[in-house]
Amino acid sequence: GDSVTQMEGPVTLSEEAFLTINCTYTATGYPSLFWYVQYPGEGLQLLLKATKADDKGSNKGFEATYRKETTSFHLEKGSVQVSDSAVYFCALSDPYYNQGGKLIFGQGTELSVKP
Amino acid sequence: EAGVVQSPRYKIIEKKQPVAFWCNPISGHNTLYWYLQNLGQGPELLIRYENEEAVDDSQLPKDRFSAERLKGVDSTLKIQPAELGDSAVYLCASSLSPSGELFFGEGSRLTVL
Repeated sequence: GDSVTQMEGPVTLSEEAFLTINCTYTATGYPSLFWYVQYPGEGLQLLLKATKADDKGSNKGFEATYRKETTSFHLEKGSVQVSDSAVYFCALSDPYYNQGGKLIFGQGTELSVKP
Repeated sequence: EAGVVQSPRYKIIEKKQPVAFWCNPISGHNTLYWYLQNLGQGPELLIRYENEEAVDDSQLPKDRFSAERLKGVDSTLKIQPAELGDSAVYLCASSLSPSGELFFGEGSRLTVL
């Protein structure tokens, strides 16, 4: 079945460092891809998404490009801040699942940014 | 606008006891989801509702778990009896439609002793 694999954490970076969190997926169809973020004590929030190959999602300085040839959706940010410390989840939505809506998540990657 | 509201935030019970979680979705959101998040893992879908109808409960362990969404608004997820392995965070989410963006609540953290 469909699945998502993320790089393991925790990832610890200094402020203003470059961030990459790797995400690869397996899907039989053409899924939509998402990054969700969970700040301490808060619920999951959608960070960005891409719905087709070569699309780039972006938000709050984060970017991810839907790469069909490598089945990847890596999350990047050029300069992280302490406030970016959170758990990041890569996810896909199976388009053949009752018109969408079922999210399949990776295991999450914890990011800790030090001043 | 209020987000998805869940209660209780934390619950500690002994094994074999019952427990219930409540979710109030965003107003107007017809689609409601319950997800299970084990420690260090991503959320996994338990059940999805379209209005009052459970359209996918294939991942819900029906021997001990039950859910309802009366009147197509609030929803309750129940576990009876709870087992040690049920310790996890139970997330509720809602969306305007099946293909719409999901909005998550803060979750209910269950500890079974």
